[in-house]
Amino acid sequence: DAGITQSPRHKVTETGTPVTLRCHQTENHRYMYWYRQDPGHGLRLIHYSYGVKDTDKGEVSDGYSVSRSKTEDFLLTLESATSSQTSVYFCAISESWLAVPHEQYFGPGTRLTVT
Amino acid sequence: GQQLNQSPQSMFIQEGEDVSMNCTSSSIFNTWLWYKQDPGEGPVLLIALYKAGELTSNGRLTAQFGITRKDSFLNISASIPSDVGIYFCAGLDSQGAQKLVFGQGTRLTINP
Repeated sequence: DAGITQSPRHKVTETGTPVTLRCHQTENHRYMYWYRQDPGHGLRLIHYSYGVKDTDKGEVSDGYSVSRSKTEDFLLTLESATSSQTSVYFCAISESWLAVPHEQYFGPGTRLTVT
Repeated sequence: GQQLNQSPQSMFIQEGEDVSMNCTSSSIFNTWLWYKQDPGEGPVLLIALYKAGELTSNGRLTAQFGITRKDSFLNISASIPSDVGIYFCAGLDSQGAQKLVFGQGTRLTINP
């Protein structure tokens, strides 16, 4: 299994509070991703990173920010949590070389409930 | 944006039966991936396909990369109880940061 951990694994928070989720990898992969998974929507990309301090928006980035100060850590922040951000959040990592894309490997997920 | 249509959405089968599911897209992808997700866990990669027309096996699983590069198929032979779960197809945009586009998933239930 790819060395990916997410913390916390479960969190309940109140509307309007800031929340930070952490993804940590031990694989030294260049690319890291944050997804959310909701019934009826499958997995949707929030933000991704293609290197330290290099990030970009995904499909559903509104209300989220990210930071990557080290190769191994990718943080997802909800500046002011809303009930619509109740979801399961997955981190993924991937590597590529010789311009050939490679597979993404997923962490165990964080279940976030915003009350 | 890009979308993948995965079918069927759910399947109820008897143990020992073969399973087929597919994924179609309006866009071309250069890589197709198939994942399985068990309850409470993250998706686990089953098979990766990199070349149009490619047929790849992983034990009882066989997947094909459609020749048009707009579809892919996954077959499971002789299903067993541990095959229960949700199967996702994903197309990989090979440009830039390799963003994955996921299908909605196929939920597989097996009656013993």
